[in-house]
Amino acid sequence: DSGVTQTPKHLITATGQRVTLRCSPRSGDLSVYWYQQSLDQGLQFLIQYYNGEERAKGNILERFSAQQFPDLHSELNLSSLELGDSALYFCASGATAGPQHFGDGTRLSIL
Amino acid sequence: GDSVTQMEGPVTLSEEAFLTINCTYTATGYPSLFWYVQYPGEGLQLLLKATKADDKGSNKGFEATYRKETTSFHLEKGSVQVSDSAVYFCALSISAIAGGTSYGKLTFGQGTILTVHP
Repeated sequence: DSGVTQTPKHLITATGQRVTLRCSPRSGDLSVYWYQQSLDQGLQFLIQYYNGEERAKGNILERFSAQQFPDLHSELNLSSLELGDSALYFCASGATAGPQHFGDGTRLSIL
Repeated sequence: GDSVTQMEGPVTLSEEAFLTINCTYTATGYPSLFWYVQYPGEGLQLLLKATKADDKGSNKGFEATYRKETTSFHLEKGSVQVSDSAVYFCALSISAIAGGTSYGKLTFGQGTILTVHP
């Protein structure tokens, strides 16, 4: 158990819809990272938050947004969903100096 | 930009065989190097890491040495078990200073599927 909790585990929705993925980091970790894993693109970094503020941005689409709340949990919002957004979305958390620990992911399926 | 290249997979071995999964990287600054493992239906688990040249990371019988001269971080295990069957990812993160431990985003290789038969 990594200590990182992601909900829901599975999400099935339709094109054009909006979903929210939630992540609770390990106790004491201030950084939260979001990654997308797909068959064609592999594992790609989306965005990082540190103690509530955006720290770094990767290949995140404009239709996607994220935030980190005062209790350090984070949400990734995906809107106007397209078939190509189907993927595994991972959250990872890390201390100020230390490796990242991953949750089990949310599998998003767009029908 | 920074990138990681892993050997083409999948890799199929018999139990107790020797394992090598090649990993090379290109990076600016001071990369820290990692191997992560993903078992079916699970998230990624950190297997081992190295933060500076010539460091050797090791865990559960797996080893990898940070070779700056060849920009490589190959994963090895002397005797694999069926339970080692998983997907293995090589990754890097850039630190601000050599050997630094402030980790930012991870850049991953494409992953190598390992299957070990009894």
